[in-house]
Amino acid sequence: EPEVTQTPSHQVTQMGQEVILRCVPISNHLYFYWYRQILGQKVEFLVSFYNNEISEKSEIFDDQFSVERPDGSNFTLKIRSTKLEDSAMYFCASRAGQGRTDTQYFGPGTRLTVL
Amino acid sequence: GENVEQHPSTLSVQEGDSAVIKCTYSDSASNYFPWYKQELGKRPQLIIDIRSNVGEKKDQRIAVTLNKTAKHFSLHITETQPEDSAVYFCFNKFYFGSGTKLNVKP
Repeated sequence: EPEVTQTPSHQVTQMGQEVILRCVPISNHLYFYWYRQILGQKVEFLVSFYNNEISEKSEIFDDQFSVERPDGSNFTLKIRSTKLEDSAMYFCASRAGQGRTDTQYFGPGTRLTVL
Repeated sequence: GENVEQHPSTLSVQEGDSAVIKCTYSDSASNYFPWYKQELGKRPQLIIDIRSNVGEKKDQRIAVTLNKTAKHFSLHITETQPEDSAVYFCFNKFYFGSGTKLNVKP
């Protein structure tokens, strides 16, 4: 069964550095999402992406964040200047769309640690 | 963001008992209501979902009920087993509930 994949599994960075988290959604899915989960807390929505543009974003998704689909398979989340409070697990998800299913399938996550 | 409220935050049951977790939502236009299970350090995994054209859906020991008038939906787990211990999240549109940590005591 196809799965969403994410790399790296763990990223350690210094405060102020830029990081790029990578995701490969399920092939033929049309909708892509990023979520984050601070340790011990709920999963929080960051952004949704469809047809090569952001369709929805939350208050968390400020100017420090950006997303891109640089080719036909990858979907990336960039944090320009990381802060300590960006430390969290970041999950990518994808959904087929086009009325076939509303289910979002999640990747295994990238644990980001900002020192 | 959209309001999704989930209760209780923790639930401890004896093996074999039933567990019920409830969520309320605010988006009247919603028509899809999934429940996710998350084990420690792992991704959320879909365990059951329901669409607004039905009031209840069952899959073995797991069921979900939906009340669109009251805007709430519930997860029911019967004959609980220790491996059911995890955090359960309801989900609506883009937003997760706050999670319920279920502990099934052997």
